[in-house]
Amino acid sequence: QVQLVQSGAEVKKPGASVKVSCKASGYTFTDYYLHWARQAPGQGLEWMGWINPNNSATNYAQKFQGRVTVTRDTSISTSYMEISSLRFDDTAVYYCATLAPSGPGVWGQGTLVTVSS
Amino acid sequence: DIQLTQSPSSLSASVGDRVTITCRASQDIRSGLGWFQQKPGKAPKRLIYDASRLQSGVPSRFSGSASGTEFTLTITSLQPDDFATYYCLQYSNSPFTFGPGTKVDIK
Repeated sequence: QVQLVQSGAEVKKPGASVKVSCKASGYTFTDYYLHWARQAPGQGLEWMGWINPNNSATNYAQKFQGRVTVTRDTSISTSYMEISSLRFDDTAVYYCATLAPSGPGVWGQGTLVTVSS
Repeated sequence: DIQLTQSPSSLSASVGDRVTITCRASQDIRSGLGWFQQKPGKAPKRLIYDASRLQSGVPSRFSGSASGTEFTLTITSLQPDDFATYYCLQYSNSPFTFGPGTKVDIK
């Protein structure tokens, strides 16, 4: 079936970087943009950006430009989202998803990133 | 950036009730809006896309409509499985933006 499977939880110190992966299956990876969003504890959803798996073009919310990098490896149908210079308020569950209306509309299960000293 | 507001922010309802949630966009987004349901500790699930199209597999008691910049999610007969938080998302313009959410709990 169509699914996105993300990597496991991470605990990082402030100033470090973290890289979360998202593996697609059940559909052609290059057919739909892959989006990333996050949700801080007890808060709402926040859109971060997307990648076009066809040509690796990216688009980020201004808040994350310069600190977030999304990449992909089409050989293994996987996207990666890396955040650098982590701060305490980056503690959140990070999701990948296909949000295009024409797409399957699936989300990954989420990856908890905890920033703690 | 396009701002989305949702009302109410929370509501209490009983099984069988008709529930309506509204999402207003700060500018014209045509039909570029989706609705998502999220339960605690789970990823969101798409219910509606393009303002009024029902996602495959979603019960027909869910429906979406639009009038200008105002969008509505309606649940015609609330079921026990529907108690959750609901978010709208606009994808008409980048950056995409989510509404703040509406929590539906049991009266």
